[in-house]
Amino acid sequence: DGGITQSPKYLFRKEGQNVTLSCEQNLNHDAMYWYRQDPGQGLRLIYYSQIVNDFQKGDIAEGYSVSREKKESFPLTVTSAQKNPTAFYLCASRSSGGAEETQYFGPGTRLLVL
Amino acid sequence: RKEVEQDPGPFNVPEGATVAFNCTYSNSASQSFFWYRQDCRKEPKLLMSVYSSGNEDGRFTAQLNRASQYISLLIRDSKLSDSATYLCVFRNSGNTPLVFGKGTRLSVIA
Repeated sequence: DGGITQSPKYLFRKEGQNVTLSCEQNLNHDAMYWYRQDPGQGLRLIYYSQIVNDFQKGDIAEGYSVSREKKESFPLTVTSAQKNPTAFYLCASRSSGGAEETQYFGPGTRLLVL
Repeated sequence: RKEVEQDPGPFNVPEGATVAFNCTYSNSASQSFFWYRQDCRKEPKLLMSVYSSGNEDGRFTAQLNRASQYISLLIRDSKLSDSATYLCVFRNSGNTPLVFGKGTRLSVIA
């Protein structure tokens, strides 16, 4: 099955702890994205990557970090500097260029602070 | 003016009703437009793209009005399964990331 997987589904973080959210896609997409969604709110862009070994900050990058060492993988680390990390985190991917514009989302990870 | 604005709702409509949502955008250079659907506690999924000439997919019709900078979604003969949040989405140019509205919540009631 082709698609995007995110793990874990639920993640609990203690104060001062860094945690990493996994995102893997087997769609051969070049571009990958991380969004955060708070209750009753829209999606806000954290980071995105158009190609391997390159990424750009989105609208709310502070307190987060990413890497893009492989085309298939785009992990997101929520650092202790992120003071309000409780949210629903969504990873997405899209094929760059051509006629395919559809952006596909993974099932998301819910992060809760203990 | 916000980059994208949607009426948050909720829209509570009976089964079989016709309901329409509008979404306004501020960047006149925006090139691509979409409606996504998000079920409760799930990821967004593409409902349909919005083309300049308007397009239809079964009970769903999408329109784009570039002069007034808004897109619309019309749902005819509403079903209980249409209950969800509908997100207005656009892309400014090329490979720039999608911009999402906060969504309009629809509840279809039996």
